[in-house]
Amino acid sequence: DGGITQSPKYLFRKEGQNVTLSCEQNLNHDAMYWYRQDPGQGLRLIYYSQIVNDFQKGDIAEGYSVSREKKESFPLTVTSAQKNPTAFYLCASSPRLAGTAYEQYFGPGTRLTVT
Amino acid sequence: KNQVEQSPQSLIILEGKNCTLQCNYTVSPFSNLRWYKQDTGRGPVSLTIMTFSENTKSNGRYTATLDADTKQSSLHITASQLSDSASYICVVRAGGATNKLIFGTGTLLAVQP
Repeated sequence: DGGITQSPKYLFRKEGQNVTLSCEQNLNHDAMYWYRQDPGQGLRLIYYSQIVNDFQKGDIAEGYSVSREKKESFPLTVTSAQKNPTAFYLCASSPRLAGTAYEQYFGPGTRLTVT
Repeated sequence: KNQVEQSPQSLIILEGKNCTLQCNYTVSPFSNLRWYKQDTGRGPVSLTIMTFSENTKSNGRYTATLDADTKQSSLHITASQLSDSASYICVVRAGGATNKLIFGTGTLLAVQP
C-alpha cells in the first residue's frame, strides 16, 4: 500500500447522509486519484487532481465531490445524490499525471455500505 | 471503444503448479500495459509495467509478456504459492489526448494446498 492511508477501512451510513472518505499520502506525489470498484467491473475513475487546488472529473463524478487543499490530502465526499454509493473506494497517487510510465500507488481502500 | 478483457474470470490451481492469465486489449493509441495483484479487501499492487517496445518482463515468479501486434498480454505465475491467491488486474494506459488508464475486470486466482 506504499505511503497512502485511507480511513476508515469500513464505513456504514444511512441513505440520504453525506459521508467523507479520507486519503493521505506521504510520497510527495503531485497527482492523486479516486476510484470506485464494484464486483465484476474494472476500477472506474471518479475524480483526479494534478496539483493542489485543482481537480478534474473522471468518468463517474456525479454524486461525488473532492477537495485538494494540501498536497498530501485528497478527501472524497459521497453525497446523497449518488444513487448507488455502496462500493469499495480506492485512492491512488503518482509522481505526475502525464501518460508516461509513472506508477500509480494505491491505498488499502474503504468499503462503504449505505443502507 | 477502449476495452481491456481478461480471461479466465476465475481459476483454481494446486500449490506448486504454474498458470497463465490472459489479457486482450483494444486501446488506441497504446502507451503501456500494467499487471496488478489485488488481495481481497486491499488495494492493487503493481507487478510489472511494459511499454510498446518491451515484450517480456519478470518480477520474481511473475513473468508478463506483451504482443503489441496482436494486442495481447499474458501473466505467467511459476511454482504457485498459497499467497498468490488474489485478483490479477490488467491495466492499459491510453496515450495521446486520451491519457487514461483502462482497467480489466481481473482474474480471480485461488491456489489450493
